[in-house]
Amino acid sequence: DIQLTQSPSFLSASVGDRVTITCRASQGIRSYLAWYQQKPGKAPKLLIYAASTLQSGVPSRFSGSGSGTEFTLTISSLQPEDFATYYCQQFNSYLYTFGQGTKLEIK
Amino acid sequence: QVQLVQSGAEVKKPGASVKVSCKASGYTFSGYYMHWVRQAPGQGLEWLGWINPDSGGTNYAQKFQGRVTMTRDTSISTAYLELSRLRSDDTAVYYCATSTTVGPTCFDYWGQGTLVTVSS
Repeated sequence: DIQLTQSPSFLSASVGDRVTITCRASQGIRSYLAWYQQKPGKAPKLLIYAASTLQSGVPSRFSGSGSGTEFTLTISSLQPEDFATYYCQQFNSYLYTFGQGTKLEIK
Repeated sequence: QVQLVQSGAEVKKPGASVKVSCKASGYTFSGYYMHWVRQAPGQGLEWLGWINPDSGGTNYAQKFQGRVTMTRDTSISTAYLELSRLRSDDTAVYYCATSTTVGPTCFDYWGQGTLVTVSS
């Protein structure tokens, strides 16, 4: 199975900061990488798919990049509603796995 | 609008089975795979598998093979997840999820989640 490793696991930042979360795959997955945001007690919300495509309705301060084994999610200017946990997820031959998550907290 | 509505919370004893339902509306149920994902308390997301509602074909994560069964009833646009031989570490929120607009590689719609508690 393909493993995904996110870093960091915890991130403390302030409103207005630019933050980057990294997701590394144990083998190449082309661009089959998605990012989700999850708030407590809620289902995950799709932010980015195909590594860099912004899901409809998601603010443009979110962006994704990468291919192969290394991917990043960037939030250009943190807003109060962005403090949440973020997960990457890969697709390979109709099998799926998630990263362990990155909790983004207010500094 | 796409909606996935799941059944209510369950409490089960170790060794028992649980069956969770997910009723879909707002799209063609048979046209898109339905996935199941779980999240243990305070933990991350774990994919269990998918069912093709059209054919009934399934694909399960290796970890759950032999204990998980996914089925569907196309007449009522509902997918089911059954997990058997429950253990305490199966305590989790179980979500159904599908992808109707972004291709098969990720999930754009999720159910509200069903809490399954396994306790003696």
